[in-house]
Amino acid sequence: ETGVTQTPRHLVMGMTNKKSLKCEQHLGHNAMYWYKQSAKKPLELMFVYNFKEQTENNSVPSRFSPECPNSSHLFLHLHTLQPEDSALYLCASSPLQVKSSPLHFGNGTRLTVT
Amino acid sequence: QQQVKQSPQSLIVQKGGISIINCAYENTAFDYFPWYQQFPGKGPALLIAIRPDVSEKKEGRFTISFNKSAKQFSLHIMDSQPGDSATYFCAGGGGKLIFGQGTELSVKP
Repeated sequence: ETGVTQTPRHLVMGMTNKKSLKCEQHLGHNAMYWYKQSAKKPLELMFVYNFKEQTENNSVPSRFSPECPNSSHLFLHLHTLQPEDSALYLCASSPLQVKSSPLHFGNGTRLTVT
Repeated sequence: QQQVKQSPQSLIVQKGGISIINCAYENTAFDYFPWYQQFPGKGPALLIAIRPDVSEKKEGRFTISFNKSAKQFSLHIMDSQPGDSATYFCAGGGGKLIFGQGTELSVKP
């Protein structure tokens, strides 16, 4: 285990569904991140939370809604997604939100939007 | 500019050979350059990182070479092994990390 656990591992949803992705870290870190990974593309930062406060929203469409109830848990609520949103969604954590702070990634949720 | 350009997209190397992956960045404010390794079905994991005040950093079989004037850096994997087969991402940061597109490395026995 990486110390960052993501559930579910796979998710298939229709465009009208509402679902949530969950991330939990047991590393005592204070910063948590959502990344989108599409084939042959760079990892794309979506959101950053530092001490439970959102510090970055990288122009993500409102159909993605993050929630960070505490420093150990991070959610990504999904609604009315589009097929192009199909991707691997990675959660990461780091001790602090500083550039030299190593990111610890979970194994991701593979999302397919039909 | 915020891009980090990575090449090649895929690489096949024989066991025992040297694997070389190159990255170029544009933003001179970047001052932290990590490499991440990702195995199938897993998330990326930090492999090695360098700051621009040094030209080379070595950890075991993995070496980063850094050329600040050319705004380029590369990962060298010496004595490549089949277990090194993975996708490798370079990144650059001056606040938040900007990742390259990734290189799929396959090391043939």
